[in-house]
Amino acid sequence: LAKTTQPISMDSYEGQEVNITCSHNNIATNDYITWYQQFPSQGPRFIIQGYKTKVTNEVASLFIPADRKSSTLSLPRVSLSDTAVYYCLVGDMGNTPLVFGKGTRLSVIA
Amino acid sequence: NAGVTQTPKFQVLKTGQSMTLQCAQDMNHEYMSWYRQDPGMGLRLIHYSVGAGITDQGEVPNGYNVSRSTTEDFPLRLLSAAPSQTSVYFCASGPRQRSGNTIYFGEGSWLTVV
Repeated sequence: LAKTTQPISMDSYEGQEVNITCSHNNIATNDYITWYQQFPSQGPRFIIQGYKTKVTNEVASLFIPADRKSSTLSLPRVSLSDTAVYYCLVGDMGNTPLVFGKGTRLSVIA
Repeated sequence: NAGVTQTPKFQVLKTGQSMTLQCAQDMNHEYMSWYRQDPGMGLRLIHYSVGAGITDQGEVPNGYNVSRSTTEDFPLRLLSAAPSQTSVYFCASGPRQRSGNTIYFGEGSWLTVV
């Protein structure tokens, strides 16, 4: 199982770009990297997924270096509504159980 | 467009009672799983299934049973409830035939054991 390590918490002001890095040194060849967002009293929801290089969608970007041992979720111009816990998940449901790490609690300050 | 449906949403049990948390998905996903989340903590995998008739243990399987008789349903059974099982339980499913690890969560079931 690919183990992930993230910062426990981060603070940011509204309008700033936030980068959350996840370390996954023992990532396997078939593993994908997916980030989830969780608000209190809700289930996590998908933000973005990647395998290598850079992926961008309407809400975030995901940067993955060539060795794939880490990844960085980038949230542009955060707002108060981005206050949540962010989880990095590494794995491939075709081969391994999907085990979450402890997540990063992001607090956005006005 | 129901997605992943969990019932009940809230439940109070007495120590020693048994009960089943229901999970159903209408997306024809092969992969289904159960997580528990204690207050202020992360998600811990209880059991998972990669298809009908196939189940396996996750990180914290003790005290829980699962079965997968159909693609759509993945019930979680608490055999003899203990206060330590007070938690929020999330069911999730994903399309195993596609590579990756994108899974979709239900809204959660809040369980209190007294």
